[in-house]
Amino acid sequence: GAGVSQSPSNKVTEKGKDVELRCDPISGHTALYWYRQSLGQGLEFLIYFQGNSAPDKSGLPSDRFSAERTGGSVSTLTIQRTQQEDSAVYLCAKTSGAYNEQFFGPGTRLTVL
Amino acid sequence: GQQVMQIPQYQHVQEGEDFTTYCNSSTTLSNIQWYKQRPGGHPVFLIQLVKSGEVKKQKRLTFQFGEAKKNSSLHITATQTTDVGTYFCAALTQGGSEKLVFGKGTKLTVNP
Repeated sequence: GAGVSQSPSNKVTEKGKDVELRCDPISGHTALYWYRQSLGQGLEFLIYFQGNSAPDKSGLPSDRFSAERTGGSVSTLTIQRTQQEDSAVYLCAKTSGAYNEQFFGPGTRLTVL
Repeated sequence: GQQVMQIPQYQHVQEGEDFTTYCNSSTTLSNIQWYKQRPGGHPVFLIQLVKSGEVKKQKRLTFQFGEAKKNSSLHITATQTTDVGTYFCAALTQGGSEKLVFGKGTKLTVNP
C-alpha cells in the first residue's frame, strides 16, 4: 500500500523457532510502526521508530520480540522462540503524506504450529 | 497513556440503513484520523480532522470533530454492501513520543 512492502506475505513456523519479518517503507517517511492484528481484532501497537530517536518499544508483548530499523529505512521484526499465541497478521505502517497519515503494508500472516 | 475509546465494537445493518461509529478521549486531541479496513485487507486512511467542530464529507460519509476536540464520529448514510469493513479512529498522543494511537475499531456488516 502506497509504497510499503512486507515480506514474507505468509510464514508458517513451528513452535519454538525464531522468525524475522521484514518491512520496507520504500519511499520517504517520517515514522515507522509495527502492529499485530489477531483474527477479527483491532490493531495492537508493537513498536514505533521516528527519526534518530530511540524507538518506542512500549507495545512489545515480551522480550521475545525485538525490532530494528537499518539506515533509517528497512525494518525487521524478530520473534524468538515463537508461541502459538504469536499467530496473527503483523502490519507495518509508515507515516507520510500531507496529513502525516499512515500507509500500511499488506502484512505478514504468521502461523505458529 | 492516552486512549481512544471507540463504540460500538460491532454493528450489523440492513442495506440502506444509516451507521455511526463514535470515538471518545478523556483528553483534548490535536487531531483525529479515520481509517477503513476491508475484510482481508489493511487499513486505509480516509480523512483527518483538526479544527474544533469540524465537519467533512466524502459522498455518503460524514466525519465530525467535537467542539471540545475530545470526540469524533463517522456517519454513513444509506449503507451499501461496499461499506462493509472495520472503521478505526486514531489520534496522536500528546508529548512523549507522539505516536498515533488507534481505537479498537467498529466492525460493520451490511445485510443486502
